[in-house]
Amino acid sequence: GAVVSQHPSWVICKSGTSVKIECRSLDFQATTMFWYRQFPKQSLMLMATSNEGSKATYEQGVEKDKFLINHASLTLSTLTVTSAHPEDSSFYICSARKQAGTNGAYEQYFGPGTRLTVT
Amino acid sequence: GQNIDQPTEMTATEGAIVQINCTYQTSGFNGLFWYQQHAGEAPTFLSYNVLDGLEEKGRFSSFLSRSKGYSYLLLKELQMKDSASYLCAVTNAGNNRKLIWGLGTSLAVNP
Repeated sequence: GAVVSQHPSWVICKSGTSVKIECRSLDFQATTMFWYRQFPKQSLMLMATSNEGSKATYEQGVEKDKFLINHASLTLSTLTVTSAHPEDSSFYICSARKQAGTNGAYEQYFGPGTRLTVT
Repeated sequence: GQNIDQPTEMTATEGAIVQINCTYQTSGFNGLFWYQQHAGEAPTFLSYNVLDGLEEKGRFSSFLSRSKGYSYLLLKELQMKDSASYLCAVTNAGNNRKLIWGLGTSLAVNP
């Protein structure tokens, strides 16, 4: 199997506070994880690529100082939304890359998502 | 550049078969994914094709033609629970192998 978990599932926080979201690959090692954001009825938007043991690669327009990513182990990546504001309210989803076979192929599995509401 | 096209919406009847097409343009193609996403939930992995041909997994099958830049997802014996958005995504060998997403096809299965 390939299971990815996220914690928390949902969180409500006050404007100006920070929120940490955890993403874990439960039954495989993931050297690469991805963080996405999705607004209602819109497409997934890739925020950053998280590589174990190195700095994350952020997509254009995503503030790296606001969305801190740490991928300290092969099974855990964290996203911290710092000084959150109401416009940061969204559905945050992580995914983890799992190698499939020996020919360099891989599959990508998603966590269940974290719904963040900033009041 | 990179581009993925799939129909915005489709409607089908319970018990029927539906085919969702996806065409893509990308350099250094390294695989095509299909995901299912129900409203308010994260995407669920359905299939991954990197070689030409048909991959069958129960009621769902996925086909790829690299020369034509074309894939389809085939859903058989449709059930009401299959009503969801179906996302086509492509990856290439470079660019950290990020997934390039289509906008998704919203499928409505009617009784």
